[in-house]
Amino acid sequence: KNEVEQSPQNLTAQEGEFITINCSYSVGISALHWLQQHPGGGIVSLFMLSSGKKKHGRLIATINIQEKHSSLHITASHPRDSAVYICAVGYYNNNDMRFGAGTRLTVKP
Amino acid sequence: DTGVSQDPRHKITKRGQNVTFRCDPISEHNRLYWYRQTLGQGPEFLTYFQNEAQLEKSRLLSDRFSAERPKGSFSTLEIQRTEQGDSAMYLCASSSFGGRVTGELFFGEGSRLTVL
Repeated sequence: KNEVEQSPQNLTAQEGEFITINCSYSVGISALHWLQQHPGGGIVSLFMLSSGKKKHGRLIATINIQEKHSSLHITASHPRDSAVYICAVGYYNNNDMRFGAGTRLTVKP
Repeated sequence: DTGVSQDPRHKITKRGQNVTFRCDPISEHNRLYWYRQTLGQGPEFLTYFQNEAQLEKSRLLSDRFSAERPKGSFSTLEIQRTEQGDSAMYLCASSSFGGRVTGELFFGEGSRLTVL
């Protein structure tokens, strides 16, 4: 069982829809990262958070430390949001990070 | 600073050949990570450096793999006697580490290896 579980694996939405991607992890962490990977492209860090909520433009990330769960929300989704979204967790005195398998989002016009 | 750069972006090689990838991190970052990503999967940790010291290696990293960061700046990842199973995207990332928590990760574009 992966230490970091994401759901859904694949998500197709119509432009303008509100998107939610979920991430659950199994042990205590120091920080959780949400990453975006476009096809054939590199990975871009969207958020790093250890508590509460962060917002950047149309993207919102929340984390519940007690429940070991985080969500990434995209408001007013757009076709350019189509990408793979990856959740990754880091530990105190971070050695390796653990990554989820990613959620492939396709937003149709 | 233009971010994390990796070279080459693509490498096609025959089984049994050696390949080397280079990563130039963001200059002020003291941590450098290597990851491997296969199709449809999230990245898997291979190894990381703090400055020039290699602090951890994954069990995924067989003895055919070696990584160096000789001066605490750029890093190389060498794969000897490549096998078809080594075909993957090799990603490099850097970050600042201060105290207990690693900062935001910055990734390179990756080096895609195809072993024929």
